[in-house]
Amino acid sequence: DIVMTQTPLSLSVTPGQPASISCKSSQSLLHSDEKTYLYWYLQKPGQSPQLLIYEVSNRFSGVPERFSGTGSGTDFTLKISRVEAEDVGVYYCMQSIQLPPGYTFGQGTKLEIK
Amino acid sequence: EVQLVEAGGGLVQPGGSLKLSCAASGFTFSGSAIHWVRQASGKGLEWVGHIRSKAISYATEYAASVKGRFTISRDDSENTAYLQMNSLKTEDTAVYYCTRHTIQMVRGIILNFGLDVWGHGTTVTVSS
Repeated sequence: DIVMTQTPLSLSVTPGQPASISCKSSQSLLHSDEKTYLYWYLQKPGQSPQLLIYEVSNRFSGVPERFSGTGSGTDFTLKISRVEAEDVGVYYCMQSIQLPPGYTFGQGTKLEIK
Repeated sequence: EVQLVEAGGGLVQPGGSLKLSCAASGFTFSGSAIHWVRQASGKGLEWVGHIRSKAISYATEYAASVKGRFTISRDDSENTAYLQMNSLKTEDTAVYYCTRHTIQMVRGIILNFGLDVWGHGTTVTVSS
């Protein structure tokens, strides 16, 4: 199975400052169709996960421009250019290239506001 | 409004069974793959399994941790997916989410949105 490893597991950020989360996969997420199946989700407190980024770098509908995704192969990064209070929650990366055995998520990174 | 609503969670004894449902509205359910993802209290997200559309023969896949015990099905006439859980273990205790996988052609390009719509979840507690 593909293992997804996120760092850091928690971060505390002052509003208006940037934040960055790394996600590394144990195998390349580049498919033979030349697409890379890496996604980012945010689970706000008490809520279901919500899609932020699809296929590494594409912001989902309604996601603010301060969120961006980069990376390739096995190394990926989610960046928030200027953190706002509403960005608190747990961020997860997810791979969907390998099915079977199945999709896998990173452990999650908890973002809090200083 | 695009929506998924889970139901059927509850308290069940180890070794027991439970069937969850996921009712969809606001989109063409029959063309969508539906996944189940669970989350134990205070823990991360764990993919459980999925069922594809009729066009792909309602194919299913399951996580190793539930394979042989859980079964995913769907009734397109009712816009509903199901998760039948048998031989439940205490470690199956979690919030269970159903979620839609969307692949769409946009201006000639195939976009894979991944799991783009999630339900609110239903809680399953396995305990004696």
